[in-house]
Amino acid sequence: DQQVKQNSPSLSVQEGRISILNCDYTNSMFDYFLWYKKYPAEGPTFLISISSIKDKNEDGRFTVFLNKSAKHLSLHIVPSQPGDSAVYFCAASAGSSASKIIFGSGTRLSIRP
Amino acid sequence: NAGVTQTPKFHILKIGQSMTLQCTQDMNHNYMYWYRQDPGMGLKLIYYSVGAGITDKGEVPNGYNVSRSTTEDFPLRLELAAPSQTSVYFCASSNGGIQETQYFGPGTRLLVL
Repeated sequence: DQQVKQNSPSLSVQEGRISILNCDYTNSMFDYFLWYKKYPAEGPTFLISISSIKDKNEDGRFTVFLNKSAKHLSLHIVPSQPGDSAVYFCAASAGSSASKIIFGSGTRLSIRP
Repeated sequence: NAGVTQTPKFHILKIGQSMTLQCTQDMNHNYMYWYRQDPGMGLKLIYYSVGAGITDKGEVPNGYNVSRSTTEDFPLRLELAAPSQTSVYFCASSNGGIQETQYFGPGTRLLVL
């Protein structure tokens, strides 16, 4: 049973436009959410996070929105740049215990010129 | 700082053989983690450690063992390798629990034939 779902395996966006990556979760105990970015042949790198007490967190071109009632979060990248082409993983955690971090299956974002 | 280093980068193992994946970090982080990523899937936590001498199981610990004798090193041992253990293995470290950024190594690609 997938507790964190990224239903779009891939997404193609034109350079300069907005990229929106979506993530749904089923466990209502999740209270902390993260996005990681991964390039081929490299380990994931942390991008941005949000606590369940907030509904938005912004860091430069990256904004994460959390809709707790819908159990949905999204990552917005504006404007999209070629270096944003990567696989993006959504992850969720219930409490501060490290054993409870659950990753989604990832969305491959391609930025076209 | 080298960050998190993993060896080997790639290895082919025969069914029934054993091997140890090495992970070292030079950031003096207390927390260390081992994940596996299967094709088209997210990362799954195998084992983690909150400090030298302390380890605990994650989501998928069967077939693996770990030890943490120093702060820097967190080796992952595969006993009696099976084809189901073919995967990419990532080691990560952090200063604390989930709300602290995890820093990942480049991964070890393991093929069990």
